[in-house]
Amino acid sequence: DAGVIQSPRHEVTEMGQEVTLRCKPISGHDYLFWYRQTMMRGLELLIYFNNNVPIDDSGMPEDRFSAKMPNASFSTLKIQPSEPRDSAVYFCASSPAGAGSTEAFFGQGTRLTVV
Amino acid sequence: AQRVTQPEKLLSVFKGAPVELKCNYSYSGSPELFWYVQYSRQRLQLLLRHISRESIKGFTADLNKGETSFHLKKPFAQEEDSAMYYCALLVLNAGNMLTFGGGTRLMVKP
Repeated sequence: DAGVIQSPRHEVTEMGQEVTLRCKPISGHDYLFWYRQTMMRGLELLIYFNNNVPIDDSGMPEDRFSAKMPNASFSTLKIQPSEPRDSAVYFCASSPAGAGSTEAFFGQGTRLTVV
Repeated sequence: AQRVTQPEKLLSVFKGAPVELKCNYSYSGSPELFWYVQYSRQRLQLLLRHISRESIKGFTADLNKGETSFHLKKPFAQEEDSAMYYCALLVLNAGNMLTFGGGTRLMVKP
């Protein structure tokens, strides 16, 4: 397995444009997480899914952010409209089911720059 | 609510010096704690977990429930240890959700 795959790796867009980030989790993993990484705030959990169902989206900053998981192998994080303060690295991670200490596997991240 | 605090954003040491990256947590339940590492241009990856009581790349971390700490230690730092380190808390009864600290950048100078 190639691990968690994110696309694009880099995205530069103008303020006001719609941005869509994509993630393919590791096959068989039941959990999928979207994180945002910034210098000021470190890694923040935005939303996570269990078996394609959104469980906790309390970390989503505002209504401009939305996430979907139409099937077990694909998820999107959309920002519409984008703003310069959204510039960050966005990580997707997946992990298998099971309580207790379970490793989360991260993608390479998407570096988003909104100008 | 759970919280993970890493008080140092940057830690700079010389090669061969001891390293301690601090991590404190607040959580009402029984904590499951991890250290993740991100080397330059690589993805974030698990370094170690407290229940394993293992040493990875010379690093160890002991959970101290009395002090609510999970500091990462290495007796002799190497240049290749330079990376971003995140302490993380697993929130039970919330899937496998991890709460991360703000991260500490470790720079090991030659």
